Amino acid sequence: DAGVIQSPRHEVTEMGQEVTLRCKPISGHNSLFWYRQTMMRGLELLIYFNNNVPIDDSGMPEDRFSAKMPNASFSTLKIQPSEPRDSAVYFCASTAQSITDTQYFGPGTRLTVL
Amino acid sequence: QKEVEQNSGPLSVPEGAIASLNCTYSDRGSQSFFWYRQYSGKSPELIMFIYSNGDKEDGRFTAQLNKASQYVSLLIRDSQPSDSATYLCAVIRNSGNTPLVFGKGTRLSVIA
Repeated sequence: DAGVIQSPRHEVTEMGQEVTLRCKPISGHNSLFWYRQTMMRGLELLIYFNNNVPIDDSGMPEDRFSAKMPNASFSTLKIQPSEPRDSAVYFCASTAQSITDTQYFGPGTRLTVL
Repeated sequence: QKEVEQNSGPLSVPEGAIASLNCTYSDRGSQSFFWYRQYSGKSPELIMFIYSNGDKEDGRFTAQLNKASQYVSLLIRDSQPSDSATYLCAVIRNSGNTPLVFGKGTRLSVIA
């Protein structure tokens, strides 16, 4: 079975540009999570969805960040406008049911904002 | 106090020894605790979870939880070079903003 799929794997962009990261959760999983990982701050939960509905977005750093989950098999995390401090690895993860279940992480998107 | 604290390491242990990784958390009402392993350049993967006070064993791994002391640990017996990775402690909180908080991780190096 395919795991969590993320695209692109690497993204280099210039400050001020819009960035869209994509995620396909494991088929049949009901919860999806977006994380950001940096050396300074570690792994941070940004937002999570259950049955395509955003449940908690308290980790979203500011209004430049937005996330959507239009259906059970697709989610996007958008940064507009991007800033150099957004440079990080962004992970998507999914669980079978809820936040207490095993998280299956995608390979991550390494974002560099110049 | 940080919400979930781990010693960043590196923790170096010889092959075959027991590696002990520690994690403390600040939210006394936290109920669920996880240990993830992350190899360099890879994504985290679950090693163990624990919900109740005491020990939970799975192969060479033992998770220990002490809610009174707000402390959770991971023991790795018979450490192997392939165990060299960063180990992340994660806690699901009952209060505060973000429901799931990760520690920054402890880097373990097993020396052959």
